[in-house]
Amino acid sequence: ETGVTQTPRHLVMGMTNKKSLKCEQHLGHNAMYWYKQSAKKPLELMFVYNFKEQTENNSVPSRFSPECPNSSHLFLHLHTLQPEDSALYLCASSQDLGSGGSSYNEQFFGPGTRLTVL
Amino acid sequence: DAKTTQPTSMDCAEGRAANLPCNHSTISGNEYVYWYRQIHSQGPQYIIHGLKNNETNEMASLIITEDRKSSTLILPHATLRDTAVYYCIVPGSQGNLIFGKGTKLSVKP
Repeated sequence: ETGVTQTPRHLVMGMTNKKSLKCEQHLGHNAMYWYKQSAKKPLELMFVYNFKEQTENNSVPSRFSPECPNSSHLFLHLHTLQPEDSALYLCASSQDLGSGGSSYNEQFFGPGTRLTVL
Repeated sequence: DAKTTQPTSMDCAEGRAANLPCNHSTISGNEYVYWYRQIHSQGPQYIIHGLKNNETNEMASLIITEDRKSSTLILPHATLRDTAVYYCIVPGSQGNLIFGKGTKLSVKP
C-alpha cells in the first residue's frame, strides 16, 4: 500500500473518446505530479501541482488537461488522443515541492494507469 | 536531461550483493542523490537518498565518493524480487525528479 491510488488501472479508448484518469493520495501531501512512461523511454514529467495550483506544465499538448480540486485528488482529462499517447501514466505526491536539489523531496508513486489509444 | 549516467544493465546472483554504480559529475555541493527502483509495470519506489555521508536503511546502502561525483547503491543480499530498473537521480533546478533510463538489474537463481 503506497498511499497513492490510481483508477482505472487499465484503459482502452478510441481517438474520439473523452476519458479521465483519477489519482488520490492519503498521505496528507501538498504536491502532486503526473508522469508519462512510454515504451522504452524514461519517465517524463507532465504536470506539477502544489497546494492545488499548477506550478509546471512541461510543454504537454492541450489534449491532456489536468485538474486538481484539492490537495488529495488529481485528475487527467483526456480527449482526442493519438495512438502515440498510449503509455503508462503515473501519479505521484510529495510533502512539498523540492527547491532545487537541496531539499529532501521523496515522491510516492501510484501503480499507474496503462492507457491504450486505438 | 538527467544529470546522471548509469550502466544499461547488470546481472547479479541471488544471495550475493548487487552493486549499482552511478556517475553524477556535475552535482552541486548541496544537491541530494536519490535512488528509486521500478519493478515491471509498477510505479517507481523510493529506496534511499544521500547528500555527503554514506547512508543505510532496511533496503539498501548508499556509498557516495568524497568528491560526490559518483555513488554506488548496494543491495547486500539480492533476491529475485529485487529484479527491477534502478534509477539514480539528481533533481532538476525546480526540485523535480528527472528520470534517466536507469540500470536494469536481473537477479538470477
